[in-house]
Amino acid sequence: EAGVAQSPRYKIIEKRQSVAFWCNPISGHATLYWYQQILGQGPKLLIQFQNNGVVDDSQLPKDRFSAERLKGVDSTLKIQPAKLEDSAVYLCASRPRQGGPLAKNIQYFGAGTRLSVL
Amino acid sequence: LAKTTQPISMDSYEGQEVNITCSHNNIATNDYITWYQQFPSQGPRFIIQGYKTKVTNEVASLFIPADRKSSTLSLPRVSLSDTAVYYCLGPNSGYALNFGKGTSLLVTP
Repeated sequence: EAGVAQSPRYKIIEKRQSVAFWCNPISGHATLYWYQQILGQGPKLLIQFQNNGVVDDSQLPKDRFSAERLKGVDSTLKIQPAKLEDSAVYLCASRPRQGGPLAKNIQYFGAGTRLSVL
Repeated sequence: LAKTTQPISMDSYEGQEVNITCSHNNIATNDYITWYQQFPSQGPRFIIQGYKTKVTNEVASLFIPADRKSSTLSLPRVSLSDTAVYYCLGPNSGYALNFGKGTSLLVTP
């Protein structure tokens, strides 16, 4: 079974530029997440999709970050304009929609995109 | 979000058993206790979860006392490839995972 695919793996931009990250979740997984992981910290949720609808974007800095999942499969996360503090690894994760309490905390992560803002 | 407490770092030699304890004082009655592992340059990976007593799989064992306010992840006979960050997940709402800073385990020869 193919895992969660993310691209690019690395991106270097200057502040105030824009950047986009792409994620292809595991086939059939209805729920997709974007996390931000700053060096030395655990991942922090940015946004959660259920199919193509947003479930939770309370921690997404909406003045500069946007995300979409138009057809309920692939997703794109965009930053415009980027700030120095956006330097981090951006992780995409997915999980099946179904599942009881045992499945609730099991998500499958991609390798992430490491963003450096100079 | 409620937090968990675990050591920032641990060192071990190859072949030793490593125990990482996490405190989660206000875990909800219906929450499972979940641990993830993250290797450098990779995303986190689910390794084990449990509700009470003991759970064992091919990677680790998880010990949970009756009050569920803490849990201990046990890695038997670690190897160099077990060098990673281990996260004990905090209580969460909905389906978002609540990661803390994790425990950075370094295994040396």
